[in-house]
This record gives sequence, C-alpha cells and structure tokens, in this order.
Amino acid sequence: GESVGLHLPTLSVQEGDNSIINCAYSNSASDYFIWYKQESGKGPQFIIDIRSNMDKRQGQRVTVLLNKTVKHLSLQIAATQPGDSAVYFCAENVAGNKLTFGGGTRVLVKP
Amino acid sequence: DGGITQSPKYLFRKEGQNVTLSCEQNLNHDAMYWYRQDPGQGLRLIYYSQIVNDFQKGDIAEGYSVSREKKESFPLTVTSAQKNPTAFYLCASSKGLDGYGYTFGSGTRLTVV
Repeated sequence: GESVGLHLPTLSVQEGDNSIINCAYSNSASDYFIWYKQESGKGPQFIIDIRSNMDKRQGQRVTVLLNKTVKHLSLQIAATQPGDSAVYFCAENVAGNKLTFGGGTRVLVKP
Repeated sequence: DGGITQSPKYLFRKEGQNVTLSCEQNLNHDAMYWYRQDPGQGLRLIYYSQIVNDFQKGDIAEGYSVSREKKESFPLTVTSAQKNPTAFYLCASSKGLDGYGYTFGSGTRLTVV
C-alpha cells in the first residue's frame, strides 16, 4: 500500500497497552483542535475534536487532552489494537481561518 | 451516504503533460481544499475555495490550477510547470473555513513516468 510519512516520528507500542501521541501547536489563539488517523493509502479520518474551552474530551477508547498554558495537545488510545497502526495528525484552527496540520506521528502496534 | 469522492485512485502522467484530478462532494459544504502529501512531510495546502467561483492559493500553488464552477466540484490540474508532481493528493471539504465537519477524500496517487 501507499507509504505515508517514511521519516515521521514513530511510536511503537505493545498490543493492549495504552498509547499517548503528543502534538505541540503554535498559535495561542487557536480555539478548535482535531485529531485525525490516516492508514496507509487512505485519506485521514476524523477521530475526535476539542474546543479551547475544554481541557479533556473522551470518545470510544480515545481521550484528547488540551493544555493551553503550554500549547500542547495529546491523544490517548486505550488498549491499543493492531488496527490502530496508522499515522496520527493533529490540526488547529483559529476562528474563521483554515485548519493548520501538524507533521504527524506513526504508531506501530506490536503483537 | 454523504461523502467526498476523489478519482482516479492512481494516475500516471508523462513528463510535460497536464493532468486533472477530480474531487466531488455531496455534503453541501461551501469550502473545499487540495493538499499534497509527500513521505516524511505533513499536509501542504495547494489551493482552497470558500465559495463557488472563488479560490485562493495555498502554500504551494505553483504549477497547479483549480476551478470551482459548481459547489460540489473542485478539480485540480497538475500542469507541466510543476517540477516534482509525484505525490499523494488529498481533497477535503468543510462547511466553512473554521474546520467543523472537515472531511477528506481517499486520495489520488500521481506518478510521473
């Protein structure tokens, strides 16, 4: 399949463990953040989002944490599965402007 | 089901040729975008359009052209002026520029032969 991001930072995690993917954003005025998952040869898929008036949001097996003080966003995946192997991108938005995407992190799940 | 469709999935181009990548959405989104993705890099914005008959250059517009004659369609032409066109191209759409409902297509892999 298509190889996306040969030189991206890589997180190797044992199946069943929790994964934490980090993202530093640049604009202190950003008020909306999204995490995407991209599998090889496919387009990015929405995972979870969070607005700047929140510091935590949970979905199914995923949690996003937002620390506005240090401009840091993280995605936690509980009980990581082989199907979680992908490249994960964060994106930030300042109201009325386009999304700005981070460089991505590759997650490899070891059986 | 509503969605965004890119075609073809794979495209081969001879040097010196122009090629057009298709992007169609039935989400009733006003804004549409084209991104280029290379190994080791994130998404780079080529062009975007907020409304029909209007579009703006992104960060790497040189060698590309677009049109937005219909709300549903935002085709991208890779011209012979693009010196390194081999890449994975992604189309996206959203209700507005603020990112809510941002949806990607499945991508087109363009290879110059």
